[in-house]
Amino acid sequence: GAVVSQHPSRVICKSGTSVKIECRSLDFQATTMFWYRQFPKQSLMLMATSNEGSKATYEQGVEKDKFLINHASLTLSTLTVTSAHPEDSSFYICSARPEMNTEAFFGQGTRLTVV
Amino acid sequence: GIQVEQSPPDLILQEGANSTLRCNFSDSVNNLQWFHQNPWGQLINLFYIPSGTKQNGRLSATTVATERYSLLYISSSQTTDSGVYFCAAPYSGAGSYQLTFGKGTKLSVIP
Repeated sequence: GAVVSQHPSRVICKSGTSVKIECRSLDFQATTMFWYRQFPKQSLMLMATSNEGSKATYEQGVEKDKFLINHASLTLSTLTVTSAHPEDSSFYICSARPEMNTEAFFGQGTRLTVV
Repeated sequence: GIQVEQSPPDLILQEGANSTLRCNFSDSVNNLQWFHQNPWGQLINLFYIPSGTKQNGRLSATTVATERYSLLYISSSQTTDSGVYFCAAPYSGAGSYQLTFGKGTKLSVIP
């Protein structure tokens, strides 16, 4: 299957700092990527849809100024958590599809801890 | 948007036992996926199964799109099968590409 790589896998940061998470499609081009968040013992919730060359689309209740998404190329989307606070601590995971309406593949996820 | 419900929420099996996990969805779909989330959080693709039946080793899945449900069968379970199993369907129905996840089934296989 297709490979989606996410980096870093784990990050600890101080409250008030910003953290950037990268999501790369390694063997296909992705005009659209998706960012999900998962709190402990809960399911995955879609945060935003990242569109190459245009603005991201955010789900209701997700602050676009806090979660900055940049999809600068056909293989890379980044999620920056700005001015992180302890309540932003979560598991963030990205996804992409080689073609529309085909199987989705997920990155390894990033566990963010804000202290 | 589409609602995805999974049952049971928790399942404990003795090693070697068989199990069936269920996923119901509220709208027609043209794709459905099953995942296994391992203890490190990685989502492992199990099946992409909009309809019909597929098998992969000890695992198989069946989706009956007209009745809006999918089943995941695990046979001869092993301790390495432990983890959370998710099904996911398109976010707003048949034409979109974001996935809505069910709440998952937490499977524990004991020796």
